[in-house]
Amino acid sequence: SQKIEQNSEALNIQEGKTATLTCNYTNYSPAYLQWYRQDPGRGPVFLLLIRENEKEKRKERLKVTFDTTLKQSLFHITASQPADSATYLCALAAMDSNYQLIWGAGTKLIIKP
Amino acid sequence: DAGITQSPRHKVTETGTPVTLRCHQTENHRYMYWYRQDPGHGLRLIHYSYGVKDTDKGEVSDGYSVSRSKTEDFLLTLESATSSQTSVYFCAISDRGRTSYEQYFGPGTRLTVT
Repeated sequence: SQKIEQNSEALNIQEGKTATLTCNYTNYSPAYLQWYRQDPGRGPVFLLLIRENEKEKRKERLKVTFDTTLKQSLFHITASQPADSATYLCALAAMDSNYQLIWGAGTKLIIKP
Repeated sequence: DAGITQSPRHKVTETGTPVTLRCHQTENHRYMYWYRQDPGHGLRLIHYSYGVKDTDKGEVSDGYSVSRSKTEDFLLTLESATSSQTSVYFCAISDRGRTSYEQYFGPGTRLTVT
């Protein structure tokens, strides 16, 4: 079966440290993968997109990697701050899904002061 | 929220009644989407539109219909609401075509079917 998996347990990180979130997928031929942030009671907000032929993308304190051999994307937030606390969603677009986004359930990140 | 509004923001309705949710955008984006979000599940696509009067089904379209008579409006209708349709509904827009680049989301509608 095809699925996108993110760690369902909340991730607790000390302020200033690097937070790393994982997104694994199975049985897709990916075109690109996106990461979104979602705050309680609000819609997701786009953060980064990485294509299947790219290994790494950066934007300010954010870094995304994409390993199509391992079928995994890692999302890093460096120098984390309490304001980074939110749920982070990954979404994969693949030929198999007619390029419609297939979403993970999200990982809740808590940055403690 | 990138010029996207949803109405109503909250609704409680009874089983068997029809319900229509509205999504309105001011960005003139071609693509519009309806998702539902439930605990423990990722966002699931209900229907999407790639232009006025052009719509297609998503992963969980049973029990839902949509209409798009104007670029800016995309309506989602539950013909006869069921308790399994209790959820948070999000509208999203995109201007990047079938390859669905980044999407911009509305604030959501929380629907409760009793």
